[in-house]
Formats: sequence, structure tokens, C-alpha cells
Amino acid sequence: AQSVTQPDIHITVSEGASLELRCNYSYGATPYLFWYVQSPGQGLQLLLKYFSGDTLVQGIKGFEAEFKRSQSSFNLRKPSVHWSDAAEYFCAVAGFGGFKTIFGAGTRLFVKA
Amino acid sequence: DTGVSQDPRHKITKRGQNVTFRCDPISEHNRLYWYRQTLGQGPEFLTYFQNEAQLEKSRLLSDRFSAERPKGSFSTLEIQRTEQGDSAMYLCASSLLRGATVVGGTEAFFGQGTRLTVV
Repeated sequence: AQSVTQPDIHITVSEGASLELRCNYSYGATPYLFWYVQSPGQGLQLLLKYFSGDTLVQGIKGFEAEFKRSQSSFNLRKPSVHWSDAAEYFCAVAGFGGFKTIFGAGTRLFVKA
Repeated sequence: DTGVSQDPRHKITKRGQNVTFRCDPISEHNRLYWYRQTLGQGPEFLTYFQNEAQLEKSRLLSDRFSAERPKGSFSTLEIQRTEQGDSAMYLCASSLLRGATVVGGTEAFFGQGTRLTVV
């Protein structure tokens, strides 16, 4: 079955600390992987995406993610978190052409001063 | 702004009433998707269109739900005889697939969503 698992429902980090959000996926075909961010009451904004090639991808707002096929993982990282990064983060997988994107349940990030 | 737009942003309705939402995708995008997101969950796929053809519907889409994209541009999602369990954020997204070639990436671009509250 196709699925995305985000093991952490919520994470709290101090401003300036590093961040890693975990994501594991199950997908039968070649996966296209994404991380989206959602602020309260808002739509989804794409942070970064992986299709092929270099397994370390850079995104907006200083985020990066690493694709590890052997572990079926696509973890999101940021070296130094800012208070404005507090939001909900969704890992997602889709097939070719963006067909039927499947989302994880999300990880809520809290940033403390 | 040429992003995906949804109307209305918020809708409060009484149980049993019908509601209709509209989505205007990015103009050149030929694929359009509807998702539903409940509190504390990720978006769940409901249905998608390739141009005006509705190609797949999730089993989440009961008979009370109907979606159309009559001219391959904007889309509407109607919910008949609303129930309290229909309360959710309804998200629309669009993407472009040109033949067998991925154009500009394969990701879906999302609108701001319509928040439905059934009382």
C-alpha cells in the first residue's frame, strides 16, 4: 500500500537549534517526494522536492532534505531554526505528473525562544 | 497573482444544506485535484481531473459529493445534504503534465482552501 509516515506528531526546538523532521514512505513505483509547510488556516507551500539525481536537495527558507532509498526515508533538515518556522510540516509522495499526492499526517513544529 | 484560487475561503452551513465550492487552477495547468483535510491530519485525496475528464474518485467521495470541471478550466465541488462529518478544509491543487514529459516539476500547487463548518 502507498503511504507516508511521519513518526513525530509534534516537535519543539529552541530558536537557533538544528531541526530534523522524519519521513518514511511506501510506494510501489518511482516516488516523487515533497515537503510542504502549512501555517494555521493556510494552504500548503512547497518547501522542496526530489525527483531524481542528487539525493540531497535544497529548498526554500534554508531547508534541505535527503533521500535514502535503502531506508525509504526523506528527512527534512534545517541547521538553525527561526521562530517564523513554527508551522505544520507535511511529507508527501506522488507518482509521475503529480498524480494523487499522498500526505503524511504532519509534524507540528514549535519554536521556543 | 496567478496561483490557485478558491472561493469561498470560509463557509458555515446548517446540516442538510447543499454547498458548492469553486477552484480556479493555474491557467495552463491541465490537472486539477481536490483534497480534504481534517483537523490534525494531512490532506486526503478526493478526486482529480485531466482537462475536463474526471479520472479517479476516492472512496472517500460519497454519493453526496460531486465534482465538475466543465471546460477544463475552473472546477466546482458540491456537497449535498451536508453532515457534521463533512466539516473540514477542502483544498484544490493543480499541476501540468504535457504528454509523457514532466514540465517544470511534477508537484501540485495548492490553493488556500475552503474551510467548511457544518452546524
